[in-house]
Formats: sequence, C-alpha cells, structure tokens
Amino acid sequence: EIVMTQSPATLSVSPGERATLSCGASQSAGTNLAWYQQKPGQAPRLLISGASKRATGIPARFSGSGSGTEFTLTISSLQSEDSAVYYCQQYYQWPPAWTFGQGTKVEIK
Amino acid sequence: EVQLDQSGPYVKKPGESLKISCKSSGYIYTSYWIGWVRQMPGKGLEWMGIIYPEDFDTRYSPSFQGQVTISVDRSINTAYLQWSSLKASDTAIYYCATRPRGWGYFDNWGQGTRVTVSS
Repeated sequence: EIVMTQSPATLSVSPGERATLSCGASQSAGTNLAWYQQKPGQAPRLLISGASKRATGIPARFSGSGSGTEFTLTISSLQSEDSAVYYCQQYYQWPPAWTFGQGTKVEIK
Repeated sequence: EVQLDQSGPYVKKPGESLKISCKSSGYIYTSYWIGWVRQMPGKGLEWMGIIYPEDFDTRYSPSFQGQVTISVDRSINTAYLQWSSLKASDTAIYYCATRPRGWGYFDNWGQGTRVTVSS
C-alpha cells in the first residue's frame, strides 16, 4: 500500500496570500495524484487530477504540481471561500489499492 | 449534469444488516465506475471499493474486503453498499462517487449517507 502523508496538518493564511500544501507518497505514484476540497458538512469536490489538471469549473488560483513521491497544491491568492480541508489521493495501482492523505486544514487568518 | 442521490440517514443497532443506495442520473450509467468512500467522525477519507455497472467488475480495498458488499442494479441506475452485521465502528458518513474509466480519481460525488450504529 502506498502511504500518503500531507503537511502541514493545519495552515493559516491571510486573504490574498499564497497557500502551499504538500503531499508525499511512500513510493512513486507517477502523476496519478488527485486533490480534493472538503468544506464542513459537504461532500469532497475534485480540484486536480493527473497531479496538475484542474477539474471543470475549478478557479485558476488552484494549481497542482509534482510527480513521483512529491506533490504540491498551491492556492495562489487565498479567498475566504477556500477555507476547507484538502486531501490528496494516489491512484497509481491496478488492481486498485488507492489511498488518501490525512488532509490539510486551511484556515483564513 | 451528473447527479448522485444517496439514501439515508440510518440509525441501526450492532449486529443488524443495512443496504444503502446511490442513484445516478445525467450520464450513461455504464460509462463510469461507481466507488464508495468512508469518512469516520472527524476523520479523513478512505477508499472502500468500486464497481463497473457495464460488467459488474468489483474491486475492494484490502481494508474492506469481506466487510462490505458492493453491488449495482443497472435497470434503475443504482449502486449499493451493504453490511450483513454492523459494528459500532461502522459509524461514519459514506459517499458514493463516479470514477472515469481508465483513471482512479472520483469526479462526481453524492451528498453522503450518515450511518450511526449504536446499542
């Protein structure tokens, strides 16, 4: 099983500032990496797939990068509505043994 | 527009059985896999398994193999997640989601089903 580790656990950022979230894999996941946003009381929402491809309707301030074992989600200019928990997920293997990171909570300072 | 409508919520006792559902609309049902994801109270997301309505191919996470059963009724575009004997540790929110063929991410999500198991 590929273990996904996200850091930091909590990130406090001022509006308009950049937020950088990290996700590490215990072994290579190639670019088979997705990012999700989950707001309180809501279902997760897909932000990024293939490590860097924004999903339909996702604002350009969200960007993903990385490959192999190191991945990053960047929110270029944080908005109040971006307060949420962000999860990474690897989907490298078939048969599937897909795993999520434990999440990073982004707070507005 | 893809929509996934989930049943529930449910309050059950330990040892009881349960089958929750996820009804899909807005797309060709056999073109996407349907997956299930667990979220225990205050915790993160855990992938449980997926099913392909076209041929009923079903894959489980090793953590959930033998603990739950995933099925689908193509005639009503509905996927199911069931337990034969619930435990208190099954208390969680369960999400269904679509997985595009050939990929492993989930692009459309249901609203979630809250399951509470308590004596």
